Amino acid sequence: AQSVTQLGSHVSVSEGALVLLRCNYSSSVPPYLFWYVQYPNQGLQLLLKYTSAATLVKGINDFEAEFKKSETSFHLTKPSAHMSDAAEYFCAVSAPGYALNFGKGTSLLVTP
Amino acid sequence: EAGVVQSPRYKIIEKKQPVAFWCNPISGHNTLYWYRQNLGQGPELLIRYENEEAVDDSQLPKDRFSAERLKGVDSTLKIQPAELGDSAVYLCASSYGQGTEETQYFGPGTRLLVL
Repeated sequence: AQSVTQLGSHVSVSEGALVLLRCNYSSSVPPYLFWYVQYPNQGLQLLLKYTSAATLVKGINDFEAEFKKSETSFHLTKPSAHMSDAAEYFCAVSAPGYALNFGKGTSLLVTP
Repeated sequence: EAGVVQSPRYKIIEKKQPVAFWCNPISGHNTLYWYRQNLGQGPELLIRYENEEAVDDSQLPKDRFSAERLKGVDSTLKIQPAELGDSAVYLCASSYGQGTEETQYFGPGTRLLVL
């Protein structure tokens, strides 16, 4: 079985500050890991994905995430938050033969 | 390139009534997914199609939910009869290929409210 746990249902940062959204995974096989973003009343958009290549993955809008097997983590970071980054962020895990399992999401608030 | 199209965007019905959702995936995408997203939760897979074949429907409540993808392109998800607990956003996604590392592209969803 596979699952992800997103630590913190709500995260607030100031504009220009570092964004850090935490995700820990559980998987009995080597996982594929994803971060999606969801803006209000919209579907999910892929930010980045890890599929067993480089452990540091760069995505759209200056987001990146690092796969750390020893810590079973795949935290999402961005050096400088913009107001437009305010949204719901979902971490997800899958593997060959397994469905995509999402976390419960983290709501990011960016304050001026 | 057009994205995943879903309709309607919003639906309000009374309990015990039927309801149907429609999805048109991105052209050329052979894999189609239906997810349910409850308020404050991540999406949960209901059913996955490879072309016209349902290859994973283990999470679909088959007593009231049904789905079809007759020609391997667009798909319909139906609930009959609807219950209060079915209120949620129903998301459709599509991808090209069969590997689960393939990127899934999501539609905007249908927001269902059952009164």
